[in-house]
Amino acid sequence: EAGVAQSPRYKIIEKRQSVAFWCNPISGHATLYWYQQILGQGPKLLIQFQNNGVVDDSQLPKDRFSAERLKGVDSTLKIQPAKLEDSAVYLCASSLDIGSSSYNSPLHFGNGTRLTVT
Amino acid sequence: AQSVSQHNHHVILSEAASLELGCNYSYGGTVNLFWYVQYPGQHLQLLLKYFSGDPLVKGIKGFEAEFIKSKFSFNLRKPSVQWSDTAEYFCAFTPGGKLIFGQGTELSVKP
Repeated sequence: EAGVAQSPRYKIIEKRQSVAFWCNPISGHATLYWYQQILGQGPKLLIQFQNNGVVDDSQLPKDRFSAERLKGVDSTLKIQPAKLEDSAVYLCASSLDIGSSSYNSPLHFGNGTRLTVT
Repeated sequence: AQSVSQHNHHVILSEAASLELGCNYSYGGTVNLFWYVQYPGQHLQLLLKYFSGDPLVKGIKGFEAEFIKSKFSFNLRKPSVQWSDTAEYFCAFTPGGKLIFGQGTELSVKP
């Protein structure tokens, strides 16, 4: 099966600029996740979608970050305006299960987008 | 606070050495436990998981992990590592439906 696709692989922007990341999950996977991984740390969940609805966005900095999954398939994550501390790898993952069982099946991760904010 | 701690940031071993990576979580309720691995240049992938039953679980490539409830631990083991095991290893758990990762342990295996 095709894996989780993310683009771009790398992005360099200046602080206060905006940036968007795109994710195409594995076909048929209902649940989609965006994680932020800062250098030297483990991935941190930003937002979780089930189909096109938000399940958990408690750790998403909503003053500058937004995400959508309009048709329940592809998703975009946007940062506007970016800060230096947003430099990180942004990982998208998807899984087959939904609801309380969403972690019972493995999360399939994309290769991530490495963002550098200067 | 709900968290998971990995004891070592970077481990360096020679081939054929035994491996044990420590993982401890902080949560009083029922949890599911995972080890994920990220090989150089590749995406994160599941190594093994524990939901219930036998606390000793076996994963891919000869890895195993043991859940010790009394110690809130889920250590990863392999009796004999290979150069191809060089990777970053992440312990993770699900308190209350969220998947929380540890900070990762980088394993370097010298041929």
